[in-house]
Amino acid sequence: RKEVEQDPGPFNVPEGATVAFNCTYSNSASQSFFWYRQDCRKEPKLLMSVYSSGNEDGRFTAQLNRASQYISLLIRDSKLSDSATYLCVVRGAGGTSYGKLTFGQGTILTVHP
Amino acid sequence: NAGVMQNPRHLVRRRGQEARLRCSPMKGHSHVYWYRQLPEEGLKFMVYLQKENIIDESGMPKERFSAEFPKEGPSILRIQQVVRGDSAAYFCASSPNPFDEQFFGPGTRLTVL
Repeated sequence: RKEVEQDPGPFNVPEGATVAFNCTYSNSASQSFFWYRQDCRKEPKLLMSVYSSGNEDGRFTAQLNRASQYISLLIRDSKLSDSATYLCVVRGAGGTSYGKLTFGQGTILTVHP
Repeated sequence: NAGVMQNPRHLVRRRGQEARLRCSPMKGHSHVYWYRQLPEEGLKFMVYLQKENIIDESGMPKERFSAEFPKEGPSILRIQQVVRGDSAAYFCASSPNPFDEQFFGPGTRLTVL
């Protein structure tokens, strides 16, 4: 089983649509969770951290369910500029692995006019 | 404040040659991380270094790969006797401490002929 698994995608949605991405992780000791965004052939950039209570940043809402080891990202009112690959990321837990980020394989989102 | 800098941005090597990839962290960041992204795959952690020390090298291939982060100068990822399977994008990230956001550089795209 992969450490971090995401929806395979790709997602093709019209502008204004709401789209949701899901992710599961295997290490129950993990403490920190993130969504990153990666544009084609560019470096990944932090979109938002994910907290147990759920958190929102404008049109983006992230949720964490520790019992199910499940993370989600909801994008409302999609814009053309949201087209990118969305990466579910988990920080290592324990020992010296706290510096290690484990990435899911990514889900490609294309927003069309 | 300049971001994470990597050079070269593109590197072409023939099989059997050596590749040296450089990473200058953001000012004030003493923690450096290397990740590799193979074509059509997600980012994979390779190594985490703090000035002059390797903290976690659990993702480094056992042979041909080495990394350093000297007291002065950039972090270096060295690949000896490159093979075609080493062709990938290599991203460096840095942070002020291991629990802060990791900021990624633009990456070095290595092509092995």
